[in-house]
Amino acid sequence: GESVGLHLPTLSVQEGDNSIINCAYSNSASDYFIWYKQESGKGPQFIIDIRSNMDKRQGQRVTVLLNKTVKHLSLQIAATQPGDSAVYFCAENTGTASKLTFGTGTRLQVTL
Amino acid sequence: EAGVVQSPRYKIIEKKQPVAFWCNPISGHNTLYWYRQNLGQGPELLIRYENEEAVDDSQLPKDRFSAERLKGVDSTLKIQPAELGDSAVYLCASTTPGRKEAFFGQGTRLTVV
Repeated sequence: GESVGLHLPTLSVQEGDNSIINCAYSNSASDYFIWYKQESGKGPQFIIDIRSNMDKRQGQRVTVLLNKTVKHLSLQIAATQPGDSAVYFCAENTGTASKLTFGTGTRLQVTL
Repeated sequence: EAGVVQSPRYKIIEKKQPVAFWCNPISGHNTLYWYRQNLGQGPELLIRYENEEAVDDSQLPKDRFSAERLKGVDSTLKIQPAELGDSAVYLCASTTPGRKEAFFGQGTRLTVV
């Protein structure tokens, strides 16, 4: 069936470096994508979203890139900080209804 | 603005016992979701409400799970009887019509022993 997946389960980055978290999706009809951050014991927290008619969107220290040709999504975090340590999920939505399908997640570990 | 509120935060029950989770969405959010998150996995949708109507419950195991949102505001998710495999975090989320990003509560961690 259709699914959203992530390439790496764990990513270790030094403080101050840039982080890149990748995500592959298989439903070519998906038109909306979100990145969520989930800290231990908390619910997922919205970071940034992007619609399928865009290929790049920037927020504060974060950038999401969408490559529809290869069905690939990435989250770039600039100047990674210890507070960025968490599990990151990409999620996709298909159609007009709000129904997000989540991937497995990537754990980001920031080392000092 | 208060976020999505869930209770309890933690629940430990013996198998075959019933359990209920409560959710109060963000004020004004007509759409409410219940998700289940197994350890190390992403959330999986159980049911979606638009106001008081369950518009998508295709992933809800209806033999033991039930949900209600009688007045279109807060919601309750029930499991009866619970099984060992039901151990997970149950997340509630909400959003407004026309928006696709969901805002999540902190979840209820259920342990069935």
